Amino acid sequence: DTAVSQTPKYLVTQMGNDKSIKCEQNLGHDTMYWYKQDSKKFLKIMFSYNNKELIINETVPNRFSPKSPDKAHLNLHINSLELGDSAVYFCASSQEPSGSYEQYFGPGTRLTVT
Amino acid sequence: ILNVEQSPQSLHVQEGDSTNFTCSFPSSNFYALHWYRWETAKSPEALFVMTLNGDEKKKGRISATLNTKEGYSYLYIKGSQPEDSATYLCAADGSTLGRLYFGRGTQLTVWP
Repeated sequence: DTAVSQTPKYLVTQMGNDKSIKCEQNLGHDTMYWYKQDSKKFLKIMFSYNNKELIINETVPNRFSPKSPDKAHLNLHINSLELGDSAVYFCASSQEPSGSYEQYFGPGTRLTVT
Repeated sequence: ILNVEQSPQSLHVQEGDSTNFTCSFPSSNFYALHWYRWETAKSPEALFVMTLNGDEKKKGRISATLNTKEGYSYLYIKGSQPEDSATYLCAADGSTLGRLYFGRGTQLTVWP
């Protein structure tokens, strides 16, 4: 059983489109995160939700909107896609919203904007 | 934002060699330090989480130490094996919310 899963694995789309990436965890964790891996392979945190509530919102364009329908799911919707949005997006989860707990990462979604 | 630095950027060793990497972070506003192992085409996998100054953690041939006063952590691999080849990431949390700031990683290649 996959602990943290993401769909789709690959996403190719054109500039200006709107797209969503879905994430699900079956670990029973309270907290979920979105990270962006940039072109230099640097992992940067974007958002975190704890039990459906937003608790971390880094400096991210407001074209990016996370949504958590329940604590096992955290989706990322991106409006008006730009070339610079091309990256690998990783979802992660942890038991609680604390650095004391390790984070479990999904397989990543490679987004390519043409 | 926490500035987390890792060195070296890459490392090539022979099978059986022992090796170590460094992670440095701001010693003020420190809450936790994480080490992750990231194999190509896979997801980052947690190795250790440390919070206390002087913490030492061990998992098989891999161990880590933490010095929060001077702001650094070492990761050691004893008797490296080809399957240890991966990128090793460290990340610091200064906020208690699990807001991790990652370093750029050390890419380890172990030659048979």
